[in-house]
Amino acid sequence: AQSVTQLGSHVSVSEGALVLLRCNYSSSVPPYLFWYVQYPNQGLQLLLKYTSAATLVKGINGFEAEFKKSETSFHLTKPSAHMSDAAEYFCAVSERGSTLGRLYFGRGTQLTVWP
Amino acid sequence: DAGVIQSPRHEVTEMGQEVTLRCKPISGHNSLFWYRQTMMRGLELLIYFNNNVPIDDSGMPEDRFSAKMPNASFSTLKIQPSEPRDSAVYFCASSSRGASYEQYFGPGTRLTVT
Repeated sequence: AQSVTQLGSHVSVSEGALVLLRCNYSSSVPPYLFWYVQYPNQGLQLLLKYTSAATLVKGINGFEAEFKKSETSFHLTKPSAHMSDAAEYFCAVSERGSTLGRLYFGRGTQLTVWP
Repeated sequence: DAGVIQSPRHEVTEMGQEVTLRCKPISGHNSLFWYRQTMMRGLELLIYFNNNVPIDDSGMPEDRFSAKMPNASFSTLKIQPSEPRDSAVYFCASSSRGASYEQYFGPGTRLTVT
């Protein structure tokens, strides 16, 4: 089974500072990779995904993530944090070749943005 | 597109009562997933279906939990009898065929068992 590790259950940054949320996966075959965001009292929504094209993926709200095979990582970044970015972020992977669409989620990282 | 629809959005019930949560996936999606989210345990996959067939129910916590998908446009998650520790937010998600396709989540049902 796939495994996803998100380092840091809580991350705090000041408004305007760089956001870096870490995600590592364990798989011998590079999986498909996803970042989801969950705002309070809402369901999860897709921020971005990596399937097989460019290793640097741009998503919504100014977020981007880079797939690094050598490091088995897919860290999420945003150059300048906004107050509205405060939410919980989940990294997820799926298995290449699977037609079932199952995702394996990390434990999530709560992002706090200070004014 | 209406997205994934869940009902009810909030449910408050007493211990021992039967609870039924409902989900309508996005039209054309062939996989459906039920999740539970709590502060203590985070996001847990309970069960998922592919083409209306249950594929993996190993995440269902106990026999008190059951799920059905009688057709491609409807699924239920039932808890009978309910217990206070079942209090959580339950999410339904759906996706198209293939590992590269993301899951689309519903707004969730917040269940409180007193």
